[in-house]
Amino acid sequence: DGGITQSPKYLFRKEGQNVTLSCEQNLNHDAMYWYRQDPGQGLRLIYYSQIVNDFQKGDIAEGYSVSREKKESFPLTVTSAQKNPTAFYLCASSVPGQGHFMNTEAFFGQGTRLTVV
Amino acid sequence: GDSVTQMEGPVTLSEEAFLTINCTYTATGYPSLFWYVQYPGEGLQLLLKATKADDKGSNKGFEATYRKETTSFHLEKGSVQVSDSAVYFCALSDRGGSEKLVFGKGTKLTVNP
Repeated sequence: DGGITQSPKYLFRKEGQNVTLSCEQNLNHDAMYWYRQDPGQGLRLIYYSQIVNDFQKGDIAEGYSVSREKKESFPLTVTSAQKNPTAFYLCASSVPGQGHFMNTEAFFGQGTRLTVV
Repeated sequence: GDSVTQMEGPVTLSEEAFLTINCTYTATGYPSLFWYVQYPGEGLQLLLKATKADDKGSNKGFEATYRKETTSFHLEKGSVQVSDSAVYFCALSDRGGSEKLVFGKGTKLTVNP
């Protein structure tokens, strides 16, 4: 079955550590996205990529980094520079039209809940 | 810039009640509009969408009509079920504008038996 897979489902990070969240899709989508979800704030865009080896910052990119070496994979690293990393992280993919989501559905993974301990 | 405003929750209803969740938007271009649903502990799923003015999106008994004159895309269902309990997000993608998917803050719905 085609879909988008995030791992792990739960992740614990110590202060000062970098951690990497995995996102893999087998939908043959060109575009992939990372969102952060906090209670009462909806979803905020961290990074997005429309094509392999290219990505752009979203609205809250500080303290995060990404890579897009393969079409299927878009890992997100939460660095020690991110001061408040505890949140629910969602990865998504889509077939972009003339733009990122024009007329097309975005498919989301099940999310990774990151907690700083 | 582009933005989406939806009614604040939480919304609590009894089974078989009528549901309306209001959504209004601001866009610089010509947006496509979406409703997504998130069940507890899960990612988002597309519920319905509309790509041009006066289009009606519908799925699983939910409906929303793209109203350009009022910049609105309100979600409605005639008779909710306990299984509809979830968080609902209104979103837009703005052709000619930012062209990114912009979400509202979400509205939590609880349906009691």
